[in-house]
Amino acid sequence: DAKTTQPNSMESNEEEPVHLPCNHSTISGTDYIHWYRQLPSQGPEYVIHGLTSNVNNRMASLAIAEDRKSSTLILHRATLRDAAVYYCILRDRGSTLGRLYFGRGTQLTVWP
Amino acid sequence: DTEVTQTPKHLVMGMTNKKSLKCEQHMGHRAMYWYKQKAKKPPELMFVYSYEKLSINESVPSRFSPECPNSSLLNLHLHALQPEDSALYLCASSQTTGQNNNSPLHFGNGTRLTVT
Repeated sequence: DAKTTQPNSMESNEEEPVHLPCNHSTISGTDYIHWYRQLPSQGPEYVIHGLTSNVNNRMASLAIAEDRKSSTLILHRATLRDAAVYYCILRDRGSTLGRLYFGRGTQLTVWP
Repeated sequence: DTEVTQTPKHLVMGMTNKKSLKCEQHMGHRAMYWYKQKAKKPPELMFVYSYEKLSINESVPSRFSPECPNSSLLNLHLHALQPEDSALYLCASSQTTGQNNNSPLHFGNGTRLTVT
């Protein structure tokens, strides 16, 4: 599975936008970009995924570079509840098994 | 609240004990997963079940024995564990394992296992 690189940690103030970067320079044409997050004492939670076009849902937006070698998860207004570890994961759409392999992720701290 | 329920939430066991972790989902998902997560580390895939059959075993030691008795249940039987096996064990499920599968995984909140 192709690798992703994320900063170990980021900080934000409450109600400010947060841009979480992810580099995936070895991404293949069949890889989707998935984001999950893990709040303290909970299992990981799906956030969003995309292939080439930018994507929006109720939780976040995903901006994908034109060459697909990087992407950015955007939280439009951070809340204290958004403090979590955010994982950027590449998932092969050609795979018949939906397994996910997690990297180290980014620890997001949100200050009141 | 999560739609994947794991029991127990906490488990302490000795190295000679036999115990089981349980996972249940009622979303009609036909793929189920076990992950292991050590403190401050990302989750690591252990097993994948597809339509109640074991599809992937990520070279997990035989002291961990998975079982999928039906499409809603997933068990992890534990025997002769070591203290280094202490971790959070996460169960997940997803909708399908067909090609172009991008169905998100739904995780439970895990069982915190301590081996003494």
